[in-house]
Amino acid sequence: SQQGEEDPQALSIQEGENATMNCSYKTSINNLQWYRQNSGRGLVHLILIRSNEREKHSGRLRVTLDTSKKSSSLLITASRAADTASYFCAPVDTGRRALTFGSGTRLQVQP
Amino acid sequence: GAGVSQSPRYKVAKRGQDVALRCDPISGHVSLFWYQQALGQGPEFLTYFQNEAQLDKSGLPSDRFFAERPEGSVSTLKIQRTQQEDSAVYLCASSAGGAWMDEQFFGPGTRLTVL
Repeated sequence: SQQGEEDPQALSIQEGENATMNCSYKTSINNLQWYRQNSGRGLVHLILIRSNEREKHSGRLRVTLDTSKKSSSLLITASRAADTASYFCAPVDTGRRALTFGSGTRLQVQP
Repeated sequence: GAGVSQSPRYKVAKRGQDVALRCDPISGHVSLFWYQQALGQGPEFLTYFQNEAQLDKSGLPSDRFFAERPEGSVSTLKIQRTQQEDSAVYLCASSAGGAWMDEQFFGPGTRLTVL
């Protein structure tokens, strides 16, 4: 089944720096979604990018999608301590009814 | 309510006990999903409902797992004869439309510990 693989597995940065996380997948997609999970809580939807889009912005978030390379990236600019969380990508194809997640990137933002 | 709620938040069961986990989706949401999340891993799909119809249960790990949504709103995930490997966080999510490609809204999860 389709599954996103996030890279790196862990990332530690200083407050104010930018954080970049990558996601690779294997088959054709309809869209790709990014979610954040704070420790001990449920997932929060961040952004959805469709297969015919190349870039999307939402506040301090910038997502890119390269369907030829089957990859996506999530950039968080001017990071804050509150951005500390695990980040998951979920590529969505027509063959499955639910989101399929990888192991995520654990981001630590040091104040 | 404002979001998806789940109860209980924490459940400790002795091996062999039956447990029932409840999910209250956002009012009016058509689609409801259950996921299982092991420590340090991403959520794994268990089952999907569109209204009261269970359209996909391919992720349920064994016949000890059973889910229902009889009136198309509240859902219950039941695990019979719990085993230690069932210990995980169980997440419920809902989305507005019948299209599973939509944004999903997650509840806080139920942490199940089987002793």
